[in-house]
Amino acid sequence: EVQLMESGGGLVQPGGSLRLSCAASGFTFSSYAMSWVRQAPGKGLEWVSAISGSGGSTYYADSVKGRFTISRDKSKNTLYLQMNSLRAEDTALYYCAKGQGIVVMTTSWFDPWGQGTLVTVSS
Amino acid sequence: DIQMTQSPSSLSASVGDRVTITCRASQGISHYLAWYQQKPGKVPKVLIYAASTLQSGVPSRFSGSGSGTDFTLTISSLQPEDVATYYCQNYNSAPFTFGPGTKVDIK
Repeated sequence: EVQLMESGGGLVQPGGSLRLSCAASGFTFSSYAMSWVRQAPGKGLEWVSAISGSGGSTYYADSVKGRFTISRDKSKNTLYLQMNSLRAEDTALYYCAKGQGIVVMTTSWFDPWGQGTLVTVSS
Repeated sequence: DIQMTQSPSSLSASVGDRVTITCRASQGISHYLAWYQQKPGKVPKVLIYAASTLQSGVPSRFSGSGSGTDFTLTISSLQPEDVATYYCQNYNSAPFTFGPGTKVDIK
């Protein structure tokens, strides 16, 4: 069974940093692109970032470009999101989600999703 | 960037009704369109990918159609367990934008 388990969320002050992790199991991790998707409280879904199976290609939403970095560790079957210069508008539930191919483009529909980890940016 | 719009933003229908949700892309995305269902307090779940392919395990009352810029999700006979918010998503090119969602409830 494919499973994704996020961790690393919490309360952080504006301007602070946080690193999210997503532990993957049940599939060949390096064969699939992965993404982070967030959902602010009471709001819709917002795609944040994606990385190819090899880790060689990365993509970001304009809202996080230059502040967030996506990466993956094949040896640990883990996806990461390093979040710097956090703002109040980054407050959200962050999901990791599995793509359907090794490349990002045209395969990034998401199944399954993790349960999410909550990031709150507040002073 | 490709913008995704959905209509209506919410709807209320009776059990057994046929329900249609429309999604429009600001530019052509071929068939690279997915639909998700998110029940209150739950994780999103994919219903349809490639505009019209039903994901395994999804009830056959759900169907999708369209290509290019205009897409439709249809629930042929609304059931109480279909109360949820439905999102479309472009995956033709990054950023992989979601529509704003359509909230469906029972009249």
